[in-house]
Amino acid sequence: AQKVTQAQTEISVVEKEDVTLDCVYETRDTTYYLFWYKQPPSGELVFLIRRNSFDEQNEISGRYSWNFQKSTSSFNFTITASQVVDSAVYFCALSEEKGAQKLVFGQGTRLTINP
Amino acid sequence: DTGVSQDPRHKITKRGQNVTFRCDPISEHNRLYWYRQTLGQGPEFLTYFQNEAQLEKSRLLSDRFSAERPKGSFSTLEIQRTEQGDSAMYLCASSRRSRTGRFLGETQYFGPGTRLLVL
Repeated sequence: AQKVTQAQTEISVVEKEDVTLDCVYETRDTTYYLFWYKQPPSGELVFLIRRNSFDEQNEISGRYSWNFQKSTSSFNFTITASQVVDSAVYFCALSEEKGAQKLVFGQGTRLTINP
Repeated sequence: DTGVSQDPRHKITKRGQNVTFRCDPISEHNRLYWYRQTLGQGPEFLTYFQNEAQLEKSRLLSDRFSAERPKGSFSTLEIQRTEQGDSAMYLCASSRRSRTGRFLGETQYFGPGTRLLVL
């Protein structure tokens, strides 16, 4: 069975600090996909990134970066120079390649950026 | 492309009543998903359609729940004889499989959700 663990329930930092959100996953599949979604107070899940299991290259998009390490089954997300608008709940998710490709989500990390 | 839309955004009902939610996916997306999210938890998969065919249902989807996607366009999720435990956010997502190199993957795009409160 697939499982995603986000051990950090809540994180609070001051604006401009860097912050890393942890994600650890479990799967028996050899091919799978990993995702990060952002859920602001409005409730809509906003897609941030998708990674394939065979592509361990780290990715940077502006202030966002992602570190995928297959050896430790982790897919961590770092926000550099955080801003108040980054405040939201962030979800890590996993899907298999075959079949429905339904998403299995972690419990989420509530990130609060204080001015 | 317009995004995924859901209607209504909020629904308050009394226990025992039936409710129906609608989801309009992104056009040309042949896959549609329903998820349920309770307070403080991540979304949980309920059911999945490829075009008009409902191909997978979660054990969470009791016999009081039914979903349809006529003609492979919009979808409806109906809950009969609602219970207080049905109170949650119901999220719809759509996707289209695409090939990137050796991978046949997809990204699911979510609607704003329907927040249900059963009194």
